[in-house]
Amino acid sequence: NAGVTQTPKFQVLKTGQSMTLQCAQDMNHEYMSWYRQDPGMGLRLIHYSVGAGITDQGEVPNGYNVSRSTTEDFPLRLLSAAPSQTSVYFCASNPSGGANEQFFGPGTRLTVL
Amino acid sequence: AQSVTQLDSHVSVSEGTPVLLRCNYSSSYSPSLFWYVQHPNKGLQLLLKYTSAATLVKGINGFEAEFKKSETSFHLTKPSAHMSDAAEYFCVVSDYLGANNLFFGTGTRLTVIP
Repeated sequence: NAGVTQTPKFQVLKTGQSMTLQCAQDMNHEYMSWYRQDPGMGLRLIHYSVGAGITDQGEVPNGYNVSRSTTEDFPLRLLSAAPSQTSVYFCASNPSGGANEQFFGPGTRLTVL
Repeated sequence: AQSVTQLDSHVSVSEGTPVLLRCNYSSSYSPSLFWYVQHPNKGLQLLLKYTSAATLVKGINGFEAEFKKSETSFHLTKPSAHMSDAAEYFCVVSDYLGANNLFFGTGTRLTVIP
């Protein structure tokens, strides 16, 4: 099992560019989510999904889109990058039902110039 | 609504001395609580979790935490710090009634002095 994988590890964008952060898991987990981590603020939830075809907004969804066409993949799209989106992004997955452990990917460090 | 407050942004201890990282939570129902650890430039690893079973929870690497409902606290402790414990620690509450989304505290950076 690879667990939760994220690509790329690092990315530099210019303001206004678009890109997709990839996330995949091979544990057949129903739930997947995206968090961003900023200094002094802990992790904050961007979007989440409770199953293929179902997504919802978290605490800080503005500027991001997601889709969940398969159980395995949960990409995060930045439509028009802004310097405020400079952050470390973590994808996570967990089995449905109850307070299960969330499994985190290694993170993507994004810088927007 | 769920939230957690980590009372110290930075804790410094000498190697071999006890560790105490403090966390208070707010939840509108019986919460599930977690401690995650993040070593420099690494992802997050689960240390331990509380899900309404025993109030004293034992985790990995000698860490444990006690759930105290009357004090709405979930402090993390370890009897003897090791150099490898130096990391960022996050106290987390879950809205497991929904999608099991996590609400993170702002983190406590633990420094271990040789």
